[in-house]
Formats: sequence, structure tokens, C-alpha cells
Amino acid sequence: AQKVTQAQTEISVVEKEDVTLDCVYETRDTTYYLFWYKQPPSGELVFLIRRNSFDEQNEISGRYSWNFQKSTSSFNFTITASQVVDSAVYFCALSEGSSGYSTLTFGKGTMLLVSP
Amino acid sequence: DADVTQTPRNRITKTGKRIMLECSQTKGHDRMYWYRQDPGLGLRLIYYSFDVKDINKGEISDGYSVSRQAQAKFSLSLESAIPNQTALYFCATSDPPQGGSGANVLTFGAGSRLTVL
Repeated sequence: AQKVTQAQTEISVVEKEDVTLDCVYETRDTTYYLFWYKQPPSGELVFLIRRNSFDEQNEISGRYSWNFQKSTSSFNFTITASQVVDSAVYFCALSEGSSGYSTLTFGKGTMLLVSP
Repeated sequence: DADVTQTPRNRITKTGKRIMLECSQTKGHDRMYWYRQDPGLGLRLIYYSFDVKDINKGEISDGYSVSRQAQAKFSLSLESAIPNQTALYFCATSDPPQGGSGANVLTFGAGSRLTVL
């Protein structure tokens, strides 16, 4: 069975600080996919990234970056120079890749509060 | 109009009542899902459907049923609502995965907040 652990329930930072959200996953598949979603206070869920298990290159998108480490089964998300608009709940998710009929398993989420 | 529309957005009901949450999509996606969000528990999968003739139970299907009326419509029913079904419910859609493995990106509706008294 697959599992996603987001050990940080809530993180508070001051604007312009860098912050890293941790995600640790468990799966028996050698092929799998990892995702991050953002849920701002308005409640909608916004897709941020999808990464497959064969691509261990880190990814950067503006102030966002993702560090995928197979050796530690982690897919951590870093926000550089955080802003108040980054305040949200962030979910990490996993799908196994052995077939095309997988579903997403979500972690419990990390609430990020960025204060001015 | 939103790509994935959920109705109602908010509903307050009493224990024992039958409730239906509806979801419709204009994405043309074959796959549809119902998730439940509770504080501190993340999103948990209730039911999912990979095409019109396909219905599958998710992690927490007890107390729920679904109907896939068309490619674009997927409704969730609580036959006899109970207070611990108070939650935020999300419908989501997706295409099959590119390359044929894993799961594709989900597009979510805005959520339906259900309160059972």
C-alpha cells in the first residue's frame, strides 16, 4: 500500500524567509508519480507539479523548487523569499505507476502561514 | 463557467436525511473522483470512476454511494447522513495518464461543504 507523510502540520514564517515543506512517501512500485497541490484560504485545490520516479532532477519554477531524493523517499518543496500570498495548505500526493488505473493518495497537508 | 462544477456549495442537513452532491464537468475527462477533506486528515478518496460504466470504491466508501449518469456527471449520495460525515467534499476529474502509467493531474471543483447536525 502506498502512503504519504507530511510530518509538519503547520509552519509559520515571516515574509521573505525561505521555507521547506517535507514529504516522505512509501510505495512498493519502482514506477510512481509524485504531486504537490496548493489549497489557498479560498479553498480551491491548485496543481503545482507532477514528477515521475525516473526523473530525479530538481525542478525550479520561479520561487518554487522541488527536491526529489529516491534514497530517502522524499519529495520536498521549497519556497524562496516567501510572500503572504503563499499562505495555504500544501498537499503532497503519490500515485503508483504499475498501471494506468492508479489513483492519488494524499498526505495530510502542511498549513503554511506567512506573515508580513 | 468553472471546468468542474459542484452543487450545492454549502448544505446543512439533519441526521438521517438523504443528501446528494452533484458534480458536472466540461473538461471532457473520462475519469471522475470524489474526495473528502477533514481538518488534519488531508483528502481521502471515497469513490472513483474511470469511465461511464466503471465505478470503484475508494478508501472510505462506507455510508456513501455514487452514480455516473454521463461522462460529464458524477454524483455522490449519503443515504442516511450522520454527523461524522460533516466535511468538505471535492469532485475531481482527469484524463488517463500519458504514457499509460500512474495517475494524471486532477482538476478539482470548488468543493461542497456539508454539515450534518
